[in-house]
Amino acid sequence: QQPVQSPQAVILREGEDAVINCSSSKALYSVHWYRQKHGEAPVFLMILLKGGEQKGHEKISASFNEKKQQSSLYLTASQLSYSGTYFCGTEGKSGAGSYQLTFGKGTKLSVIP
Amino acid sequence: NAGVTQTPKFQVLKTGQSMTLQCAQDMNHEYMSWYRQDPGMGLRLIHYSVGAGITDQGEVPNGYNVSRSTTEDFPLRLLSAAPSQTSVYFCASSYSPGKGEQYFGPGTRLTVT
Repeated sequence: QQPVQSPQAVILREGEDAVINCSSSKALYSVHWYRQKHGEAPVFLMILLKGGEQKGHEKISASFNEKKQQSSLYLTASQLSYSGTYFCGTEGKSGAGSYQLTFGKGTKLSVIP
Repeated sequence: NAGVTQTPKFQVLKTGQSMTLQCAQDMNHEYMSWYRQDPGMGLRLIHYSVGAGITDQGEVPNGYNVSRSTTEDFPLRLLSAAPSQTSVYFCASSYSPGKGEQYFGPGTRLTVT
């Protein structure tokens, strides 16, 4: 089941901040964040693991609430290069018991001068 | 390292034809997966594999087959193409479904007429 992202789209002026949210109805083991530019493959931003460990780019920050199965991505002092579609991916157990990574529908971020 | 490679980049099929989308990685990753991307639907998991000889279904497996005979290769087979399978297909790999960065291939744009 896909995680739910909000908002679906947001427009920012350079320098403004934004928050993108991701929630799941299933127990989560980790949350991933990726950015995709038009016509390109998704690019890794960050992983948040149970227990508080995070791995990712220094200029990106995010939170992971394990109890609520929610994550938020914080984009501060936005730049034109931040434009793109942001996807959250959630790691959970499949019906067969193996771990799989499923992605949300994405949040389209547009940064304007 | 070449990373994750996919062939072909573009393909046009007629309804009922079969074909195989190729995916290979040279990073010795155990976890590989196939996603399809349609406008407004995000990335949807088709099939995935946690190692050679082990595959499992994702969210939208119908109409697709996979096998994993080596660590490096994870081909996706369309048995009898339908217009509903028109999409962009991404292959991804990582050392773990949740704890490792997913490396995406450049994608295959498939059109079924």
